[in-house]
Amino acid sequence: DAMVIQNPRYQVTQFGKPVTLSCSQTLNHNVMYWYQQKSSQAPKLLFHYYDKDFNNEADTPDNFQSRRPNTSFCFLDIRSPGLGDAAMYLCATSRGSGANVLTFGAGSRLTVL
Amino acid sequence: GENVEQHPSTLSVQEGDSAVIKCTYSDSASNYFPWYKQELGKRPQLIIDIRSNVGEKKDQRIAVTLNKTAKHFSLHITETQPEDSAVYFCAGGDSSYKLIFGSGTRLLVRP
Repeated sequence: DAMVIQNPRYQVTQFGKPVTLSCSQTLNHNVMYWYQQKSSQAPKLLFHYYDKDFNNEADTPDNFQSRRPNTSFCFLDIRSPGLGDAAMYLCATSRGSGANVLTFGAGSRLTVL
Repeated sequence: GENVEQHPSTLSVQEGDSAVIKCTYSDSASNYFPWYKQELGKRPQLIIDIRSNVGEKKDQRIAVTLNKTAKHFSLHITETQPEDSAVYFCAGGDSSYKLIFGSGTRLLVRP
C-alpha cells in the first residue's frame, strides 16, 4: 500500500557519472517535492512542482535537474555527482492549496565513490 | 524566505517525563506548522500539525502550541516512552507550497 515510491532505494555511482532517481505516487497529489537530507541534518528543499509549474530553490546547484512528465511521476537528475552530493534524497507529495501535509517516500540513498 | 530555528538539538529525558521542543520562524506569512518524527533510516512521518488560526492542538500524549505574535511554536510530549526516541523536525509553510524544516532535535528517552 506504498503511496509514494522511490527507486532505487540505494544508488552507488562514481564521481561525475550521471544519476537519475525516480518517484511515483498513487495519491493523485498535485504538488511534488525533492528534498536532500544529509546525515543528522534537516531535509533541504531542492525544488517542487505545482502541477507542471517548476519551482527551483535559489541555492539549488545547477547540477540538479528535475522532470515531471505527468502527475504520477517525478525524476531527479544529478548531472555530475560530486562527493558532497552523497545524501538521502526524499520525494514528497502534497495536495490542495498552500502548505499542507507532506507524504514522504522511503528515500533514495546516494553514495558517490 | 522562511527560516525556522529549532532547539534543543539533543534532548535526553527519563521514561515517563515530559519533553518539550521549541521552534521559531521568521516569516509572518507562514500559516502551517507540522512536526515530523524520523526514526533512524526511515522516512519522516507527520505526528501532529497546527494552522495559524489555532493556538493549541492535542493528540493523546502529543500537543503543539503556537504563539503567532512571538512567532514560535512548541511540541510537547507527555509520559515519554522509549519508542518516542527519534529525531523530531518542526517545519513552517505558507501559501507557496514550500515547507521549510528546522534543524532537528534528537530525543533520547532513557528506560
